[in-house]
This record gives sequence, structure tokens and C-alpha cells, in this order.
Amino acid sequence: ETGVTQSPTHLIKTRGQQVTLRCSSQSGHNTVSWYQQALGQGPQFIFQYYREEENGRGNFPPRFSGLQFPNYSSELNVNALELDDSALYLCASSLVAGGHEQYFGPGTRLTVT
Amino acid sequence: GQQLNQSPQSMFIQEGEDVSMNCTSSSIFNTWLWYKQDPGEGPVLLIALYKAGELTSNGRLTAQFGITRKDSFLNISASIPSDVGIYFCAGPKTSYDKVIFGPGTSLSVIP
Repeated sequence: ETGVTQSPTHLIKTRGQQVTLRCSSQSGHNTVSWYQQALGQGPQFIFQYYREEENGRGNFPPRFSGLQFPNYSSELNVNALELDDSALYLCASSLVAGGHEQYFGPGTRLTVT
Repeated sequence: GQQLNQSPQSMFIQEGEDVSMNCTSSSIFNTWLWYKQDPGEGPVLLIALYKAGELTSNGRLTAQFGITRKDSFLNISASIPSDVGIYFCAGPKTSYDKVIFGPGTSLSVIP
């Protein structure tokens, strides 16, 4: 059984650019959630995807968008990057939609300069 | 804003000592989850609690779902160096809600 994987590990972007982060869910898990974790804080829920559709969203602006593919892998896209978007972006998968026992990937560290 | 509070914010203990940390909220929670995060890694689920008063153990870790449903406790017995990390409580208020994370308790173990 493979765990949650994310790519890339680290990324440096300039303010105003766009970024795409990728996640492969744990084998057998059909639901993917994305979180933003600023330094020294707990993860903040961005949104969840189930069966290729958004299934809940946190307090993040529309420039944060996502996709889920038929193989349950997922992408997080952020447009018009701002300095405050610098954070660790975590992907978590769960067995069912709304399942609260989530299994996290190692994250992608995004730095916006 | 922050809806979960964790205390203490950080703690330094001697190897072999027991550890207690807690998580409180002004709101009732449906489920309590405890995660541990090591540097450079994602959080790892330690214990999940589903019922008020529930006491669950996972090796040296024991967690309890508070009777009021507004708090939860995590205890670690006989701490070892690999217990070092940040411990997060988390949970949804209802079965259909998103998971909210607390700010974390940072644990350091002195050999």
C-alpha cells in the first residue's frame, strides 16, 4: 500500500506568478483535501475533492483552485501569487468523502518572493 | 479565526517523564483527532476519538474525548527522544464539517 505523495518538494516563485502542486492519494482512498500550513501554525483547510468535484471549501479566495482526476490524484493551483501564500501545502487523503481520519503527504514548501 | 486552543504551547521534558497536553474549544466537537508532525513531514494521525468520555490508547499514548465535548487530552507515558515533534489536536464540529486544527504543542525531550 503506497502512502500519499506530493510534488515538488520545494518551489520558489515570484509574486504574481501561478503555481501548480500535485498529489497522489493513498491507495484505495477516493477523497483528497488540501491544507495550507503557515510557519508555526496548524494546517488550514483549503478544499476537498471527491469524485472529481469540489466537496467543501475553506476561507480561501477563488485564485486557489483544484482538480481531481479519475485515478483520484489531485492538483492545487494558485494564481496571482502573493507573499502571504508562502507556506507548506499539505495534501491529505481519506477513504470516504467527509471521512475525518486523513492521511497526509510530506507537503510542498512554497516560497513566494 | 482560531477555534481550538492547545496548551501548553511548548514543553521541554526529561526522557522518561510523562507528558500531558490538552485542547479546548468554546464549541462542541463531533470528533477529536490527535496528530504528530515531525520537521519536514506531514502530520501523522495518532488517535481518533468519536464519543464523549471515550478513552483510547495507542502504545504509550492515551487520549480522551472530554465529557463536555469541548475538550480533549493527550498523555504520553515514559517519553523517549523520538516523541519530539509538534502535536496537533483537530476535529470537525459536525459529521459534515471540515477539520479544524489547533495551533499545536511543541514537545522537546532532553535525553
